[in-house]
Amino acid sequence: DGGITQSPKYLFRKEGQNVTLSCEQNLNHDAMYWYRQDPGQGLRLIYYSQIVNDFQKGDIAEGYSVSREKKESFPLTVTSAQKNPTAFYLCASSSRRLVGRGSYNEQFFGPGTRLTVL
Amino acid sequence: GEDVEQSLFLSVREGDSSVINCTYTDSSSTYLYWYKQEPGAGLQLLTYIFSNMDMKQDQRLTVLLNKKDKHLSLRIADTQTGDSAIYFCAESLHGGATNKLIFGTGTLLAVQP
Repeated sequence: DGGITQSPKYLFRKEGQNVTLSCEQNLNHDAMYWYRQDPGQGLRLIYYSQIVNDFQKGDIAEGYSVSREKKESFPLTVTSAQKNPTAFYLCASSSRRLVGRGSYNEQFFGPGTRLTVL
Repeated sequence: GEDVEQSLFLSVREGDSSVINCTYTDSSSTYLYWYKQEPGAGLQLLTYIFSNMDMKQDQRLTVLLNKKDKHLSLRIADTQTGDSAIYFCAESLHGGATNKLIFGTGTLLAVQP
C-alpha cells in the first residue's frame, strides 16, 4: 500500500530536549512538507522540500530543523530553541496531477504526531 | 498578507445542507482546494476547483467560486453524521509554481442527529 507514515503518534519530552519526528512516504513524491497545527490557527508551514538535498523555510521555521537525504524521508527536529513546541505536527507529500493543459498540486497527509513537552 | 479566512464553527442537523465559506487573498491562485480532517487524523483532499470555473459539483459536494470577491464555498447536501470534521480551504501561491499551499483556519462542522 502506498502512503505516508509518521511515528510515533504520541510523543512526550522534557523541556530543553531536542526531539526528532519521523516522516516516510513510498508514493515517489518529490515534494514534502511539515506543518504545525494549533487549535483555531489552521495549519502553518514549518519547512518544505521540493527535491532531495534541498529544503526551504516556511512561515514558522525558528526552532526547527530538517534534512532531506533521501526522497522517501523528511525528518523534523524540534529543538530546545522552539519556545512553544507542544502541538500536533503533520507531514505531507505532494504530486502534480495533470488536468487538461494545467496541473494541480495534491498534498497527501500523514496521520500526525502529537508532541507534548512537559 | 497571505491570509485565508474561514468561520470557526458550523452546526447543522442531519439531512440539512451545510455551507462552509472561505475568503482567500492571492488573485493568482490557479487552484483552490477543500480538505477534510477527521479527529486526530491527517487531512484528506475532498475536492478542488480551477480558478477559471465558477462551480464544480461532485456527488453531494458543490464548490462555488467568486473570483472577483475571492470567495470560495463548499456546500454539502444531505449532511450526515459522518461529515462531522474540520474542513480547510487552501489556495496555491504564485500560480502554483512553488507547490506551497496556504490553508485557512479550518471550520469545525458539527452534525446533530
